[in-house]
Amino acid sequence: KAGVTQTPRYLIKTRGQQVTLSCSPISGHRSVSWYQQTPGQGLQFLFEYFSETQRNKGNFPGRFSGRQFSNSRSEMNVSTLELGDSALYLCASSTTGGLADNEQFFGPGTRLTVL
Amino acid sequence: AQSVAQPEDQVNVAEGNPLTVKCTYSVSGNPYLFWYVQYPNRGLQFLLKYITGDNLVKGSYGFEAEFNKSQTSFHLKKPSALVSDSALYFCAVYNTDKLIFGTGTRLQVFP
Repeated sequence: KAGVTQTPRYLIKTRGQQVTLSCSPISGHRSVSWYQQTPGQGLQFLFEYFSETQRNKGNFPGRFSGRQFSNSRSEMNVSTLELGDSALYLCASSTTGGLADNEQFFGPGTRLTVL
Repeated sequence: AQSVAQPEDQVNVAEGNPLTVKCTYSVSGNPYLFWYVQYPNRGLQFLLKYITGDNLVKGSYGFEAEFNKSQTSFHLKKPSALVSDSALYFCAVYNTDKLIFGTGTRLQVFP
């Protein structure tokens, strides 16, 4: 069974631009969560989607948004990029239980660099 | 406020020796506790979790964790470390719809 895939793996943008990251969960998984990982702030939860609905949300500004499609694939969008948005963005999928599920499977991440 | 603390940025241990990676938490109610591992250039991998029940939880790759409610701790342990265990380890707690991670502890196992 294929794992969680994230595209692109690396991305370079400039301040003020917007970016869209994609995550394809494991087949049959309906919950997708997004995380931001930075050296200074560590791993922070962004949001979780289940059945095309945002079920949980972390403490990030409205510039960070996401959505989930009927095939459970998810996208994350960051508008008006700031230097501090440079990070590794991780996506994780699970069957139905979301954050407290038995196991979340993580993708390799998208490394975003904002210049 | 809810929080997770990993007091050690790095833990060094010789191969074959036991290892402990520390985690303490501060949440209201009964938490769900997790350990994840991150190898270089890879995403996180689930190691184990505690929901309820036995205080000693066994997980992947020979790791186990001990839940101590009175000390609000969930330390990760392994009886005999391997060089291949060298990685970044994260403790996390899920409570009231939020998953909160610790800052991570880098484990270095020397041959």
